[in-house]
Amino acid sequence: ETGVTQTPRHLVMGMTNKKSLKCEQHLGHNAMYWYKQSAKKPLELMFVYSLEERVENNSVPSRFSPECPNSSHLFLHLHTLQPEDSALYLCASSQPGTSGNTIYFGEGSWLTVV
Amino acid sequence: GQNIDQPTEMTATEGAIVQINCTYQTSGFNGLFWYQQHAGEAPTFLSYNVLDGLEEKGRFSSFLSRSKGYSYLLLKELQMKDSASYLCAVTSTGRRALTFGSGTRLQVQP
Repeated sequence: ETGVTQTPRHLVMGMTNKKSLKCEQHLGHNAMYWYKQSAKKPLELMFVYSLEERVENNSVPSRFSPECPNSSHLFLHLHTLQPEDSALYLCASSQPGTSGNTIYFGEGSWLTVV
Repeated sequence: GQNIDQPTEMTATEGAIVQINCTYQTSGFNGLFWYQQHAGEAPTFLSYNVLDGLEEKGRFSSFLSRSKGYSYLLLKELQMKDSASYLCAVTSTGRRALTFGSGTRLQVQP
């Protein structure tokens, strides 16, 4: 139990579907992140939110749409994805100013696009 | 930009010591992290270095040389459960997020 909970853990979706990934953190942090992990590639930063405001967007395609309604919750809305988007999507949180901004990951959501 | 290099794979024997190296290039360096990731699981935090020197935490130690852009993670008394990927990551001034290397997959053999 890391204090960061992601649902669903596994998701299979068609290219025309709309689905959402959910993340909730119980650590009292005020920054949240989405990372993508594909096979044999480094973790790729997608989005950063600080106090519910998006502060970083790493050239992510518009078919990925983040939402941060409050400092404890983060969503990733998925629409018309491609098979190459199949990956592990990791949510993380941190409290900037503590231990160099150590980030804590959730268990991840395994996404398969068919 | 940022660049992080670490070996892709390493193999070691149970009970031995292994050193996993990481070199990095970044402007405004503000800290280096090591994470452990077992297959199919989330990365978990191991260590954080911001000043030169060695930080020891039980069987794991992490070293940093800022002038050389170099770090290593030292694992002592290896156990089978230490088989995992080890991720090196750096943070820089003005960026909240960490930038990760590709990870080193360590296999511990009996």
